[in-house]
Amino acid sequence: QKEVEQDPGPLSVPEGAIVSLNCTYSNSAFQYFMWYRQYSRKGPELLMYTYSSGNKEDGRFTAQVDKSSKYISLFIRDSQPSDSATYLCAMSAGPGTYKYIFGTGTRLKVLA
Amino acid sequence: DVKVTQSSRYLVKRTGEKVFLECVQDMDHENMFWYRQDPGLGLRLIYFSYDVKMKEKGDIPEGYSVSREKKERFSLILESASTNQTSMYLCASSSFSSQGTSTDTQYFGPGTRLTVL
Repeated sequence: QKEVEQDPGPLSVPEGAIVSLNCTYSNSAFQYFMWYRQYSRKGPELLMYTYSSGNKEDGRFTAQVDKSSKYISLFIRDSQPSDSATYLCAMSAGPGTYKYIFGTGTRLKVLA
Repeated sequence: DVKVTQSSRYLVKRTGEKVFLECVQDMDHENMFWYRQDPGLGLRLIYFSYDVKMKEKGDIPEGYSVSREKKERFSLILESASTNQTSMYLCASSSFSSQGTSTDTQYFGPGTRLTVL
């Protein structure tokens, strides 16, 4: 079993839809949770960064962490064609560790 | 803004060649990383460095070496390229937290797509 599981998609939604992207994990030591967006043939760019449980909002993006269920989510409101990309979740145990564990990414396509 | 640059966007090499991939960051970050990204496998850590001349093996170091002679520059070396090293190579950098007890967010370069024929 992988430490981090992420549905690869592809996920196709109409413009304006609310998108929900998810990752599950098995390591209860993870405390830091990141979402990266990666456009085709480009490097990942950081979207959201959260510590421990709870929600964090940034514009149209909301990151949610449920440590009791070992489940994290990224919600995109009013999705746009420019949101079409691969979304990667990443996690780390935090202090004293450098290592990120990445999900394999979910490919999202927002149709105009 | 953090800027991580990689020397080449696309590279084509022949089996057995020695390949150098260069990465430079301009944010005075202590930590630098090399990953490879393959479909269905996600990002896998090859090597990382937390200081000049310091390096640590990641999950898949075999067939690779690294060099960090200056803080801003981290090189990945394929000693003898093989076809199974055809991949997207991503460099990242991060700083230590203000408490110095953990690494901060990793920022990625644009990637080098390497094809080994």
